[in-house]
Order: sequence, then C-alpha cells, then structure tokens
Amino acid sequence: DGGITQSPKYLFRKEGQNVTLSCEQNLNHDAMYWYRQDPGQGLRLIYYSQIVNDFQKGDIAEGYSVSREKKESFPLTVTSAQKNPTAFYLCASSMGQGVNIQYFGAGTRLSVL
Amino acid sequence: AQSVTQLDSHVSVSEGTPVLLRCNYSSSYSPSLFWYVQHPNKGLQLLLKYTSAATLVKGINGFEAEFKKSETSFHLTKPSAHMSDAAEYFCVVRATGANNLFFGTGTRLTVIP
Repeated sequence: DGGITQSPKYLFRKEGQNVTLSCEQNLNHDAMYWYRQDPGQGLRLIYYSQIVNDFQKGDIAEGYSVSREKKESFPLTVTSAQKNPTAFYLCASSMGQGVNIQYFGAGTRLSVL
Repeated sequence: AQSVTQLDSHVSVSEGTPVLLRCNYSSSYSPSLFWYVQHPNKGLQLLLKYTSAATLVKGINGFEAEFKKSETSFHLTKPSAHMSDAAEYFCVVRATGANNLFFGTGTRLTVIP
C-alpha cells in the first residue's frame, strides 16, 4: 500500500521543547517537502529536499530543522526557537522537478501546552 | 514571481446545483496549475492539473477547470454538487521547471441539503 505516512497525528509541545514530526514515503520519490498550514491560509513551504543528503530552506524555515539521510524519510524538528508552532503540518513528495505532482500525507496537528 | 488569488474564501451551494470556485494566477513563465481538495483534518488530494496541453481539464469526482490565459484564470467547476464535495479547495501554481508550489488561501465549499 504505497503512500506517505506522517506520525503522530496529534502532538503536543511544552515550552522550550524540541519535537520531531515523522514523514515516511514508499513511493520511491526523490523530492520531499514540509508545509505549514494555519487557519484561513494556504500552505507555506518550510523546507524541501530534492535528493538524499540535500535540503533547501523554504519561505518560513526559521525555528525548524530537517534531515534527509534516507530517500524515504524526511523528519521535521520544530525547535524551541519557533515561537508560534501551533499549526497543521503537511509532508509531501514528488518524483522530482518539472510538472510532477506532489502527493500529501494526512498531516500532524501540533499544539503547545 | 508566482502567486494565486482565490476570489472567495467561502462558497455555499445547494445539493444538485452547479459549483464555481474562482482562481486567478500570476506567473512570469508558462505555469502549471493545480486544484487540490482537503477534507477536515486530512491531507491534500489532487483534483486535476493543467500542464499546457488541453485548456479544459477534467479531474476526479466530476470536477473540471478551464485555463484562460487572456483572463489569467483557472476556475474550478462541477455541474451538480454532492454532499461529499463539502471541503476546502486550494488553487496552486508552479512555474515551469520549478519545484515549489504556491498555494492560494483556499475556498471552503459548503453544500446545503
């Protein structure tokens, strides 16, 4: 059953704590992406990775970090430097550049305690 | 620069009546355009895409969209709304050869029984 798996579905963060959101894909896609979604807004790009061991900042990378050690995995860490982390986080993947479609996971909702 | 404007934040229709969700785009290059749908607390699902082939694009669930370069529009339509169509819809643009997607702020579709 191919697709993108995000976990956990719900996550709570305490003040000053780093938390990591998982994203795994078994679609053999080269490119992976992290987006943040806030109510009434479209998705904003946090980070993206076009290939293993390489990633680029998106529009709102401050307070976040990523790694891409394996093709199928692209975890996102929300650091304590991110002062407003409460949002819905979506991971996506695509075969690569060009007109390839991005496929999305079901999302992780992060809240601050 | 690429951007999209979704002209209505909320559209309400009666079941069985036509749906029109409006989208205007701005792009310096030949764009690829997409419509995605998001049901509550779910990831995004691709409805349809335009990639410089036929200007009238048919998607899933009876939706279609027409690319009008002269009007820089890519409106989404469906002849007859179902209750299951109630969701958030995002118009998305990408410049040719680029990786990044630019999302509109979304249109929430309500279907009244």
